[in-house]
Amino acid sequence: AQSVTQLDSQVPVFEEAPVELRCNYSSSVSVYLFWYVQYPNQGLQLLLKYLSGSTLVKGINGFEAEFNKSQTSFHLRKPSVHISDTAEYFCAVSETGNQFYFGTGTSLTVIP
Amino acid sequence: EPEVTQTPSHQVTQMGQEVILRCVPISNHLYFYWYRQILGQKVEFLVSFYNNEISEKSEIFDDQFSVERPDGSNFTLKIRSTKLEDSAMYFCASKPDRGRGETQYFGPGTRLLVL
Repeated sequence: AQSVTQLDSQVPVFEEAPVELRCNYSSSVSVYLFWYVQYPNQGLQLLLKYLSGSTLVKGINGFEAEFNKSQTSFHLRKPSVHISDTAEYFCAVSETGNQFYFGTGTSLTVIP
Repeated sequence: EPEVTQTPSHQVTQMGQEVILRCVPISNHLYFYWYRQILGQKVEFLVSFYNNEISEKSEIFDDQFSVERPDGSNFTLKIRSTKLEDSAMYFCASKPDRGRGETQYFGPGTRLLVL
């Protein structure tokens, strides 16, 4: 089974500063990688995904992530965060497209 | 934009009672899922459902759990005899087809508390 690690459970960052949320996974086989965001009282919303091709993936709300196969990482970045980015962020991995394996989530708090 | 909905948003029940969590997937989707997240832990896969049958399930999904699509719109998760450790947030998800990279669309979750 896959294992997904999000090392940072909480990340506070000042508004307009850059942020990186880390995600590492365990598999050595071909996988699909996803980042979801959860705003309070809402469902998990897809930010971006990596299927194949360019290792730099751009998503919604100015987020991007880079797939690094050798380091089995898929870190999420944003060059300048806004207050509205305060949310829980989940990294997920899938081999089959059926079962998703999630990390424990990172709570991003943007400080004015 | 179409979205997955779940009811109720919160459910409190006594240990040993049966609960049914309800989900309405996006209307043209064919694959349906349940996940759960115990407080402070990972979101865990429970079961996937396609063509009116379970296609995959995890070790968590034992005999006390069942899923059903009773009509063309609802997808339910039943827990027959709840235990304290079933307290968690339960997420429903759906996706349109079997593509391996296809996004799963998640609902807002039902927070279940077993007392």
